[in-house]
This record gives sequence, C-alpha cells and structure tokens, in this order.
Amino acid sequence: GAVVSQHPSRVICKSGTSVKIECRSLDFQATTMFWYRQFPKQSLMLMATSNEGSKATYEQGVEKDKFLINHASLTLSTLTVTSAHPEDSSFYICSAPLGQGVYEQYFGPGTRLTVT
Amino acid sequence: DQQVKQNSPSLSVQEGRISILNCDYTNSMFDYFLWYKKYPAEGPTFLISISSIKDKNEDGRFTVFLNKSAKHLSLHIVPSQPGDSAVYFCAASIIGNAGKSTFGDGTTLTVKP
Repeated sequence: GAVVSQHPSRVICKSGTSVKIECRSLDFQATTMFWYRQFPKQSLMLMATSNEGSKATYEQGVEKDKFLINHASLTLSTLTVTSAHPEDSSFYICSAPLGQGVYEQYFGPGTRLTVT
Repeated sequence: DQQVKQNSPSLSVQEGRISILNCDYTNSMFDYFLWYKKYPAEGPTFLISISSIKDKNEDGRFTVFLNKSAKHLSLHIVPSQPGDSAVYFCAASIIGNAGKSTFGDGTTLTVKP
C-alpha cells in the first residue's frame, strides 16, 4: 500500500488565490521530504527540501515566498502555492527517503493543480 | 545544463523480449543511481538502484548496469511484460545528499502483447 499520501489529488483554483497541498508519511517518520514539480512530458524538477523543525531549502530559481513549505511534524509537510497564476498549473509530487541516509524515496501520488 | 539524460523518449518492445532503457549523466560527482517506474497520474515507484562501486545489480527481471567511465547506465528488463508499460525515470544522487536526486526526462516503455 501507499506509504506517502498527498491531499488533494486534484485541485482547481482561481488566479490570485492560495492552495495548500499536504504530504504525509504513513507508518514512518520523515525528517526530510522533497517537493517536485512535473511539467507535461518532462522530468521531475526538485523544488525544495522540506526539513522537520527548520526552514526548507529551495532550489535555484524557485521562489520561496511563492511556494511556502512547512514541515510541521515528522509525518507532515505542506506546500502552499500563494497567489496562484495559470503558469503555476502543474503536477506536484512529494517524496520521502525510505530511511535516514537512504537514497531511495517513496513518492506520493501527486497533486494536479489547475489555476484558472 | 541537464545532468541526467534519457535520450530515448519512448521504446516499444514485444512481450517476452528484452527492454533496454538507457541513461547518461554528466556530473562525475554522482555516485548512486536509481530507476523509478511511473504510471500516469501516480507518483514514481522505486525499482532498482546501484552504487558507483558496482557495475551491475540484479533484482528478478530487472538488471541495472553501470559504466562509470562512459557515465552511462542502463536498465534491462527481461522478459518484458505488458504490465511493465510505464514511464521509467533514471535518477542520480551524490553521497551526502541522501534522498536528493536529479532525474532524467523519462522513457515511455510500451510492451506489446
């Protein structure tokens, strides 16, 4: 069964509004989670590393004020897309390593965001 | 500059035959490599991995080969099954950056019955 869940799986919002996406690790604790964005027919682009109890680390070119990340507990990380625009429409996926210092990741099922 | 490249966007093979998916990388710092499988509208699923100290890792029908000098790795699936039809992503990591991976663009594999 799924070990990383995401909610919602699909969301449509209007331009200018904010959307929160939740990523939960099930039955295991994740001090680190990763947020990716996937454009159609393109690779997974790492947006940021979510660290429990500290600030997220953002990749170059990702606006931290636009994509707010909060890792509130060892099983929950949230990504908030603020003041969404149509160009933010994408497939957002989170992941968590299988263990401390492990390279393999469990991925969530993804969230399809459409901004109208 | 794309550090992990999968030059074949798609591959079609007959059921029972071998599928070979290729991946090239440019960053010599990469020392751990992974393959993920992804179905539409789902997140990727870890398939198999290999450390740079090895040149081959096998798990059932799946084998990953690593050629460090050529900065090239490949995933072999044999025999291929229709259920293997999916997008396959190659990913690379650097020791010390556990969990943080750089992904290729993916190869869509279609296995025909």
